[in-house]
Amino acid sequence: AQSVTQPDIHITVSEGASLELRCNYSYGATPYLFWYVQSPGQGLQLLLKYFSGDTLVQGIKGFEAEFKRSQSSFNLRKPSVHWSDAAEYFCAVGLKTGANNLFFGTGTRLTVIP
Amino acid sequence: DVKVTQSSRYLVKRTGEKVFLECVQDMDHENMFWYRQDPGLGLRLIYFSYDVKMKEKGDIPEGYSVSREKKERFSLILESASTNQTSMYLCASSTFKEFKYFGPGTRLTVT
Repeated sequence: AQSVTQPDIHITVSEGASLELRCNYSYGATPYLFWYVQSPGQGLQLLLKYFSGDTLVQGIKGFEAEFKRSQSSFNLRKPSVHWSDAAEYFCAVGLKTGANNLFFGTGTRLTVIP
Repeated sequence: DVKVTQSSRYLVKRTGEKVFLECVQDMDHENMFWYRQDPGLGLRLIYFSYDVKMKEKGDIPEGYSVSREKKERFSLILESASTNQTSMYLCASSTFKEFKYFGPGTRLTVT
């Protein structure tokens, strides 16, 4: 069965520091990959997505993610974190066949220290 | 901008009540979805619909039903609300293979 693992439940970084949020998936083929962000009390907003092609994808708000097939990973990065980046981040996997569903990780909560 | 709206941001209901959560999208998307979000569990799919009057069970359909009479509207129904259905409910819509647009969520408390 497909699964998505975000091993870090909570990460704290200082403002201006770099950030990497980890995501690993388990699936028989390369799926579609997504990162979403959820600010407190809000719905989910898409940060970036990978369907095929260049394995380094750029997203909104200065985020990027790199797909590594050999590691079944899709880690999210940002070179310099801003206080407004404090939120919860979800990695998700979409299957290339079937019903266009998404499987979500359990999320990583990011705290930014001034 | 795509808009996915949900009828209520906060809802408090009593055990045994019938509860309707409404979701409307304005982009003519074929697919609509209902998820529930719980701490430590991420998002779990309850039901989805890929066309009017069509529905498919997701991972956790027990205790829920859905209705899609019009393309833009997808309703989640709790026939007899229970306390274990206290959660955040998120609606989403998408075209085929596209990423999903999410609504702001409805936080439902069942007492």
